Amino acid sequence: KAGVTQTPRYLIKTRGQQVTLSCSPISGHRSVSWYQQTPGQGLQFLFEYFSETQRNKGNFPGRFSGRQFSNSRSEMNVSTLELGDSALYLCASSLQGTTEKLFFGSGTQLSVL
Amino acid sequence: DAKTTQPTSMDCAEGRAANLPCNHSTISGNEYVYWYRQIHSQGPQYIIHGLKNNETNEMASLIITEDRKSSTLILPHATLRDTAVYYCIVRADQAGTALIFGKGTTLSVSS
Repeated sequence: KAGVTQTPRYLIKTRGQQVTLSCSPISGHRSVSWYQQTPGQGLQFLFEYFSETQRNKGNFPGRFSGRQFSNSRSEMNVSTLELGDSALYLCASSLQGTTEKLFFGSGTQLSVL
Repeated sequence: DAKTTQPTSMDCAEGRAANLPCNHSTISGNEYVYWYRQIHSQGPQYIIHGLKNNETNEMASLIITEDRKSSTLILPHATLRDTAVYYCIVRADQAGTALIFGKGTTLSVSS
């Protein structure tokens, strides 16, 4: 069974631009979560989607948004990029998003210049 | 904020057992204890989780104290590939609940 796939693996953008990251969960998984990882703040929760609905949201500005499609694939978008948005963005999937384990992808490394 | 306290770093000799402690003194009755690890530049990897009973799988054992205020992750025979940051997380049994990661413990396994 294929794991969680995130594309692209690396991305370079400039301030003010917007970016869209993609996550394909494990087949059959309906919950997708997104996390941001930086050296200073560590791993921080962005949001979680289940059956195309956002079920939980972390403490991030409205520039960060996401969506989930009917096939459970998910995208996250960051508008008006700032230097501080440079980070590793990780996606995780699980069957129902309750107590079962999460499977993480390898992440998208975003650099904002 | 993370609800757990872990040592910043630990060392272990290859082949020996690695015992990683975690304090979660404010844990609630419906919160599970999870352990994940992250090897450099990769996404976190699930290791094990439990509610109140000790758990064992092919990767590790989880020992939870009777009062549930602390736990220990045991890697029975550490290898160099077990060098990673280990995160202890408490998470409620509720749909959509996020994993709140703390700083974790950096485990260094040496030969």
